[in-house]
Amino acid sequence: EIEMTQSPATLSVSPGDRATLSCRASQSVRSNLAWYQQKPGQAPRLLIYGASTRATGIPARFTGSGSGTEFTLTISSLQSEDFAVYYCQQYNSWPPFTFGQGTKLEIK
Amino acid sequence: EVQVVESGGGLVQPGGSLRLSCVASGFTFNDYAMRWVRQAPGKGLEWVSSIVDSGSDTYYADSVKGRFTISRDNSKNTVYLQMNSLRAEDTAIYYCAKAHNLYFEDWGQGTLVTVSS
Repeated sequence: EIEMTQSPATLSVSPGDRATLSCRASQSVRSNLAWYQQKPGQAPRLLIYGASTRATGIPARFTGSGSGTEFTLTISSLQSEDFAVYYCQQYNSWPPFTFGQGTKLEIK
Repeated sequence: EVQVVESGGGLVQPGGSLRLSCVASGFTFNDYAMRWVRQAPGKGLEWVSSIVDSGSDTYYADSVKGRFTISRDNSKNTVYLQMNSLRAEDTAIYYCAKAHNLYFEDWGQGTLVTVSS
């Protein structure tokens, strides 16, 4: 089973600033990685797939990068609606599909 | 517009059973695999089960294998999760999701399952 580790657990950033979230896989997942955003009381929403492709309707300020075992989600110029929990998920080797434990992005 | 709507959650005693349903619309249902993901209170996401488009193949997390059964009725655009021998640790919001190229493309709002005496 591939373990996904996200860091930091909590990230405090001011609106308008850039946020950088990290995700590490215990073994290579190539580019088979997705990112999801979850706001309180809501279902997760797909942001990025294939490590770097934005899903339909996702603003350009969300950028995914990386391959193999190291991945990054960058959110430039944070908007109020971006403060949420972010999860990475690998789909290279399954079952099981595995998620990271999440990074909570909070307002500084 | 893709819609995924779960139902069937509720309060059940340990050892009991529950069947969740997920009705989908806005896409050709029998072209897509479907999945269940759960989230325990205050915790992260855990994949539970998947079923391929035809229903011929199913997959389970080790934590639910032998207790949960996923199925689908393509004539009703519905996927089910039969949950037996429920435990306190199964308490969670259960989300149904449409799969696309192995990632989770569209999610329902979830249904809460509480296992408690």
